[in-house]
Amino acid sequence: SAVISQKPSRDICQRGTSLTIQCQVDSQVTMMFWYRQQPGQSLTLIATANQGSEATYESGFVIDKFPISRPNLTFSTLTVSNMSPEDSSIYLCSVDLGQGLGEKLFFGSGTQLSVL
Amino acid sequence: SQQGEEDPQALSIQEGENATMNCSYKTSINNLQWYRQNSGRGLVHLILIRSNEREKHSGRLRVTLDTSKKSSSLLITASRAADTASYFCAENTGGFKTIFGAGTRLFVKA
Repeated sequence: SAVISQKPSRDICQRGTSLTIQCQVDSQVTMMFWYRQQPGQSLTLIATANQGSEATYESGFVIDKFPISRPNLTFSTLTVSNMSPEDSSIYLCSVDLGQGLGEKLFFGSGTQLSVL
Repeated sequence: SQQGEEDPQALSIQEGENATMNCSYKTSINNLQWYRQNSGRGLVHLILIRSNEREKHSGRLRVTLDTSKKSSSLLITASRAADTASYFCAENTGGFKTIFGAGTRLFVKA
């Protein structure tokens, strides 16, 4: 299992500003995943963050809007840039610690973001 | 769209009753997982079923998989008020990505 600390747990921001979300894992992991969950919706994968390389973004998500850092094997940040009310969502980081790849994700407790 | 579909979208039952949630997916899978989310926070992994399996059990949970119909179901037996949560299926097609379904909101009345 894994303990994933994500902060802040919630924030209220003004449009046009940026927020950086931090995710700390208690063990070394190769890949970390960032998901967005819009109100009442399911999770959508934003990007996959590998240590030492640029993040891989899913269709509809771009680096300028959601820059990601992965400085080491236990830490990652996601920045939501130039925010608008449409960015109001829960943002979740996760790691894959199943016996095999793509078998079991562990999640942080999420960041509830509201943009005014 | 990344997501598969789940039904029902919402389910309200009495404590002690069984709850069944269904999930359909779009592509061939390596495995399918079910997760639980309380109050819009982090998800918790419940159970995994591989593409060559048809049924798995874990405590009060029973999962079935029908690859010919590209569907899965999650049964929670003898439900409790504490089972109130959102439940998501998630498909893995063999790589590192996990794609989540739309989710079912379950409310168990005491």
